[in-house]
Amino acid sequence: NAGVTQTPKFQVLKTGQSMTLQCAQDMNHEYMSWYRQDPGMGLRLIHYSVGAGITDQGEVPNGYNVSRSTTEDFPLRLLSAAPSQTSVYFCASSRDTDTQYFGPGTRLTVL
Amino acid sequence: DQQVKQNSPSLSVQEGRISILNCDYTNSMFDYFLWYKKYPAEGPTFLISISSIKDKNEDGRFTVFLNKSAKHLSLHIVPSQPGDSAVYFCAASARGNTGKLIFGQGTTLQVKP
Repeated sequence: NAGVTQTPKFQVLKTGQSMTLQCAQDMNHEYMSWYRQDPGMGLRLIHYSVGAGITDQGEVPNGYNVSRSTTEDFPLRLLSAAPSQTSVYFCASSRDTDTQYFGPGTRLTVL
Repeated sequence: DQQVKQNSPSLSVQEGRISILNCDYTNSMFDYFLWYKKYPAEGPTFLISISSIKDKNEDGRFTVFLNKSAKHLSLHIVPSQPGDSAVYFCAASARGNTGKLIFGQGTTLQVKP
């Protein structure tokens, strides 16, 4: 198993550009989540999904969209990037809340 | 409003001694708590968890204690090893909200040889 994979590892965007951060898992987990990590803030939940076709907002959803068309994939879309979205983004998956498995992260810089 | 707080940004201990990392929470609906460990440039990895029906859970060198009345949990690492040097996050969930973990700010542990 590859576990949770994220692409790209690094990305630089200009303000106003859009992009999609990819996340895939091969563990047949129902639950998937997106977090961002900022210095001194820990990990904050952006959006999460409890199964294909079902998504919900986390603590900091503004500026981000998600969809879950398959069990395996959970992409995160930035519609119009802003410097405040400079962060490290982590995707995670789990069978339930007991143990979330995290991907390696995507480091995003918005200029 | 920070629902999960780790008030110590850093902790330094000598190899072989005990490391105690603390975490406080405010939401009384939380009933499941986890500790994650994170190395630089990697994703967090699960370490140990505890349900609110218990007050202690042990896994090798790692023990988590939960004090529900004080809304406080702690992670004990005995004995500490240099490879334990990492950032430790505590997280909490209300199990009706599966997939929704709330994390603390993290504590950087340095274990000196």
